[in-house]
Amino acid sequence: GAVVSQHPSRVICKSGTSVKIECRSLDFQATTMFWYRQFPKQSLMLMATSNEGSKATYEQGVEKDKFLINHASLTLSTLTVTSAHPEDSSFYICSATLGITSTDTQYFGPGTRLTVL
Amino acid sequence: QKEVEQNSGPLSVPEGAIASLNCTYSDRVSQSFFWYRQYSGKSPELIMSIYSNGDKEDGRFTAQLNKASQYVSLLIRDSQPSDSATYLCAVNMASGTYKYIFGTGTRLKVLA
Repeated sequence: GAVVSQHPSRVICKSGTSVKIECRSLDFQATTMFWYRQFPKQSLMLMATSNEGSKATYEQGVEKDKFLINHASLTLSTLTVTSAHPEDSSFYICSATLGITSTDTQYFGPGTRLTVL
Repeated sequence: QKEVEQNSGPLSVPEGAIASLNCTYSDRVSQSFFWYRQYSGKSPELIMSIYSNGDKEDGRFTAQLNKASQYVSLLIRDSQPSDSATYLCAVNMASGTYKYIFGTGTRLKVLA
């Protein structure tokens, strides 16, 4: 149980285009979803926290107009990287939790590797 | 001061030995702690969670928590080459959004 999928797994795009990444909880309803970014040889950095039906909460330094998050249902959240540039190339990973308590485990999707040319 | 600290390694152990991975955290009110394993190019996968002081065992893995010392560790018994990965410590900061703060990870190499 607790399976999270992401689509696409890999995307290559030209500078200036927008890219949408989907995150789905397949066998549970996710109260909260998180979006992370990971650069090579670095740890995961939280970008934003997303709750179904409400606006995402962005971490300091993350541009909310550039990284648009939509949490349309309890099983789907999307991250759109708008006007992508080479410095946005990274490994984007989502996670989802069943509940909203401090003991709830985050289950991670397989990640999306974005390369901006 | 970093909120969650781990030695980046690499930690090299021979096959069959015990690997000991350590993590310290700064927020005294943190309530829950998680160990994830991440293979190169893959996303993290949960190994164990621990919430109370003491030891918690699951197969070859034992997590140890000492809240007074703000310290959590992971022991891997009978280490196998397939255990070679980066191990991430995550701490739930008990804030309103219950977000995790990750350490930078310890790279473990199990030598055959």
